[in-house]
Amino acid sequence: DPKIIQKPKYLVAVTGSEKILICEQYLGHNAMYWYRQSAKKPLEFMFSYSYQKLMDNQTASSRFQPQSSKKNHLDLQITALKPDDSATYFCASSHDGGARAEQFFGPGTRLTVL
Amino acid sequence: GNSVTQMQGQVTLSEEEFLFINCTYSTTGYPTLFWYVQYPGEGPQLLLKVTTANNKGSSRGFEATYDKGTTSFHLQKASVQESDSAVYYCVLGDRNNRIFFGDGTQLVVKP
Repeated sequence: DPKIIQKPKYLVAVTGSEKILICEQYLGHNAMYWYRQSAKKPLEFMFSYSYQKLMDNQTASSRFQPQSSKKNHLDLQITALKPDDSATYFCASSHDGGARAEQFFGPGTRLTVL
Repeated sequence: GNSVTQMQGQVTLSEEEFLFINCTYSTTGYPTLFWYVQYPGEGPQLLLKVTTANNKGSSRGFEATYDKGTTSFHLQKASVQESDSAVYYCVLGDRNNRIFFGDGTQLVVKP
């Protein structure tokens, strides 16, 4: 059974719309993260949460808002979508929010903005 | 500030050749250093990590030494296989619990 679920796997949106990317982890971890990977570019850290509290935000745009309704959920709301937002978004989790912890990554959501 | 530098964007080898991927870092204090590997169509996964300076980590034939003196964490493997083809990320976890990924190195192993 998959330990980190990301939904949907593929998502197509129009410019200006709003979408929510879903992430659930069943590893019993206390920290969760979002990363973005644009085509042929390296992985880019976006957010980290620990015990449902924001720990670090390295995303410049306020159009990206994480939402944590439960400890094992960290969704990503993206508003006013732009074509440059097209990327694969990876959710990850770790036992705690410490920088020494191994992170486990989900399979990703591939977002295409037309 | 903190940073991780991987010089090679892509490394192309034939099977059984020696692999060396360069990684240097900049930070204060004693970070934790990781190598993650990302296979096509998947999220990254941990390959190895080292938490103590001047120690070596190893996994699946890969190894890396946390060299505090040269601030390096190069990845090596004596003999690569086609199945090792992937993107390799050098990663730093600093003393403020922030994580920094290098730009990644694409390894292509030809049969």
